[in-house]
Amino acid sequence: AQKVTQAQTEISVVEKEDVTLDCVYETRDTTYYLFWYKQPPSGELVFLIRRNSFDEQNEISGRYSWNFQKSTSSFNFTITASQVVDSAVYFCALKSQAGTALIFGKGTTLSVSS
Amino acid sequence: SQTIHQWPATLVQPVGSPLSLECTVEGTSNPNLYWYRQAAGRGLQLLFYSVGIGQISSEVPQNLSASRPQDRQFILSSKKLLLSDSGFYLCAWSVGGAFYGYTFGSGTRLTVV
Repeated sequence: AQKVTQAQTEISVVEKEDVTLDCVYETRDTTYYLFWYKQPPSGELVFLIRRNSFDEQNEISGRYSWNFQKSTSSFNFTITASQVVDSAVYFCALKSQAGTALIFGKGTTLSVSS
Repeated sequence: SQTIHQWPATLVQPVGSPLSLECTVEGTSNPNLYWYRQAAGRGLQLLFYSVGIGQISSEVPQNLSASRPQDRQFILSSKKLLLSDSGFYLCAWSVGGAFYGYTFGSGTRLTVV
């Protein structure tokens, strides 16, 4: 069975704080792909990053960074110097090579106040 | 470029009324199409997916059905809505293998009253 767990339901920070969103996944497949999506108040899902199971290199994109660790089945997302515009629901998702669809976690609601 | 259109954006329907939500994709051929539902405060649940015209797979028993009458058209329907059908419905498409993520539509917020 495949599963994605985002244990943090809600996180509140003040602007300029760093924040890490946790994601733990379960799969028996050796080839799989991990994703992060952002859902702003408008509701549309915005793609942030894709990582395959053979690439454990961490990635940085501006204030965003991702830490993929197969040993702990985690794919955590860090926002550095958070801004109010970062307020949104963030979803971690998993898709195996043989799977039919993306499996989503329940999401983490991030609130950044000024 | 590829785009995905989903409508209506919001919908308020009485219990027992029918439902039809439409999703169309432009700029690609033979996409995989998906319907997800997001209940209040919950994650995204896959309802249906389709790999081709007339091919529909259901992930969860529902009061809902889906159809794909054309290559780039995906319709979500119900004959009689229930209160529990309220939620945010998202259509998505993908092509190729698992490596490629999904592109989502802007969603339909359905409230059943």
